[in-house]
Amino acid sequence: GNSVTQMEGPVTLSEEAFLTINCTYTATGYPSLFWYVQYPGEGLQLLLKATKADDKGSNKGFEATYRKETTSFHLEKGSVQVSDSAVYFCALSPWGGSQGNLIFGKGTKLSVKP
Amino acid sequence: ETGVTQTPRHLVMGMTNKKSLKCEQHLGHNAMYWYKQSAKKPLELMFVYSLEERVENNSVPSRFSPECPNSSHLFLHLHTLQPEDSALYLCASSQDDGTHNEQFFGPGTRLTVL
Repeated sequence: GNSVTQMEGPVTLSEEAFLTINCTYTATGYPSLFWYVQYPGEGLQLLLKATKADDKGSNKGFEATYRKETTSFHLEKGSVQVSDSAVYFCALSPWGGSQGNLIFGKGTKLSVKP
Repeated sequence: ETGVTQTPRHLVMGMTNKKSLKCEQHLGHNAMYWYKQSAKKPLELMFVYSLEERVENNSVPSRFSPECPNSSHLFLHLHTLQPEDSALYLCASSQDDGTHNEQFFGPGTRLTVL
């Protein structure tokens, strides 16, 4: 079946530190991959996405590369800010997925200290 | 209004009450979703509507009753809930055209059942 596994948090970093949040997936065919972010008290927002192997999604200084050989989509940012404190969700949309079905990981909470 | 809106943002109800959650999307999408987000648990997909027809119901108890009167509006009717139903209820929408499209989320309704 289809599933997403992401590193458990919480992750605590100092401002300007390098961030990596690991995400691996299991899927048949060629899924699309997403990172969503949830700021405190808000709903989820799409952060970035990649629809095929070797695609790199990027937004707001965050990047993730679709690695089919390692079935991974790790989220990275070179220099985090306090405002990046949020919960980050990795998700996939199965190949031929109907109704935009998304499968989410459990989320990783990031806290950035000044 | 833009994006996906949800009302109310916060709701406190007793176990014998009947209430409804409302979601409205202003994106011209044709699919809408209800999710439940509980502390320390993955996002749970509850219901999916595509072209105003329910296409998925993930074994949700009958005390939750969805309604989709048109492509822009989605309701979740609640009755005789239990304290364990306390959670953040998120609505989302997407354009379901058979490709891998992202979902756009509302801010959620924080529900507390006493």
